[in-house]
Amino acid sequence: GQSLEQPSEVTAVEGAIVQINCTYQTSGFYGLSWYQQHDGGAPTFLSYNALDGLEETGRFSSFLSRSDSYGYLLLQELQMKDSASYFCAEGPGGGNKLTFGTGTQLKVEL
Amino acid sequence: DAGVIQSPRHEVTEMGQEVTLRCKPISGHNSLFWYRQTMMRGLELLIYFNNNVPIDDSGMPEDRFSAKMPNASFSTLKIQPSEPRDSAVYFCASSPKATNEKLFFGSGTQLSVL
Repeated sequence: GQSLEQPSEVTAVEGAIVQINCTYQTSGFYGLSWYQQHDGGAPTFLSYNALDGLEETGRFSSFLSRSDSYGYLLLQELQMKDSASYFCAEGPGGGNKLTFGTGTQLKVEL
Repeated sequence: DAGVIQSPRHEVTEMGQEVTLRCKPISGHNSLFWYRQTMMRGLELLIYFNNNVPIDDSGMPEDRFSAKMPNASFSTLKIQPSEPRDSAVYFCASSPKATNEKLFFGSGTQLSVL
């Protein structure tokens, strides 16, 4: 089965850089996605890594190391609106299935 | 496009009642997913469909839960009878055929079973 672990909470100040880690144990790994969810809202897609390395999308970057079963989401120039929960997700597998991690609540402070 | 549309937005019901949640995926998307989110268990995949066919329902907790997708533009998740432990936010999501790592989620249904 799939298991993805993340820190439960991270706090950072506005303008700073923060890294949210995700370690996984899976039987058959396909790729790692990241989603953002604001309180009371729906998860929204941020990025996807199928291969090792860094993917950059504006202020957000995502990294994957298959050999280490590890990935992270990097948020730069933090803004108050970045306060949200961030989920890593593994998949899709042969059946187009995503399994989500436990989620990290990011609090951005002044 | 209006995105994934779910209804109702909120549902409060009494234990033992039947609950039906509805979802309209984004037009042209071939895959549809039902997730449940709670503080204790996070985001759990209940069931998903490809081209209206259920592919994996191993996440459906009990026989009290059932899901259908009669056509490409509509799906339902039914709980009968409902129990207090079913209280959660239920999300429907859809994805295009070629880029399934990107799911588009609806706004969710906040279900409270008293």
